[in-house]
Amino acid sequence: DGGITQSPKYLFRKEGQNVTLSCEQNLNHDAMYWYRQDPGQGLRLIYYSQIVNDFQKGDIAEGYSVSREKKESFPLTVTSAQKNPTAFYLCASRDLTEDTQYFGPGTRLTVL
Amino acid sequence: SQQGEEDPQALSIQEGENATMNCSYKTSINNLQWYRQNSGRGLVHLILIRSNEREKHSGRLRVTLDTSKKSSSLLITASRAADTASYFCATVYMEYGNKLVFGAGTILRVKS
Repeated sequence: DGGITQSPKYLFRKEGQNVTLSCEQNLNHDAMYWYRQDPGQGLRLIYYSQIVNDFQKGDIAEGYSVSREKKESFPLTVTSAQKNPTAFYLCASRDLTEDTQYFGPGTRLTVL
Repeated sequence: SQQGEEDPQALSIQEGENATMNCSYKTSINNLQWYRQNSGRGLVHLILIRSNEREKHSGRLRVTLDTSKKSSSLLITASRAADTASYFCATVYMEYGNKLVFGAGTILRVKS
């Protein structure tokens, strides 16, 4: 059963804590992306990676960090430096020969 | 700033009617994509239209592209209650690893 999985579905964080959101894909895609979605808005790019052990900042990378140690996995850490982290986070992947991105089901992060 | 802007922001129709959503963008594109998002879920790719195409069909979906006006439209014919969702157009921004640049989306509600 191919696809992208994200966990957890819901995540609650206290102020000052770091949290890590998981994203795994078994589509054998080289490129992976993290987007943030706020209510009533489109998606904004946080980080992306086109190859293992390499990643690039997107439009709103401040307060976030990522790693890409395996092709299948692209975890996102929301650090305490992110001042307004409450949002819906979406991970996507893409075959480098195509333009279509395939999205996971998302993680809703709430800061208490 | 966001590349794509959808119009209208919200649309409410009766089951069986057609729904038309419009998208405008700002710069030259290679292709334009439409995605659908059910409430609180990930995005699902619907259709991709390339810059040298003017119209494309997929089932009950019809997409047009007018590069001279930098606009696209998505038509859903014979709508169903299950079509209720948010619809986003997205353009590919190649300088950021092919990130997708989204508008704020159109919220479609199909009443049964």
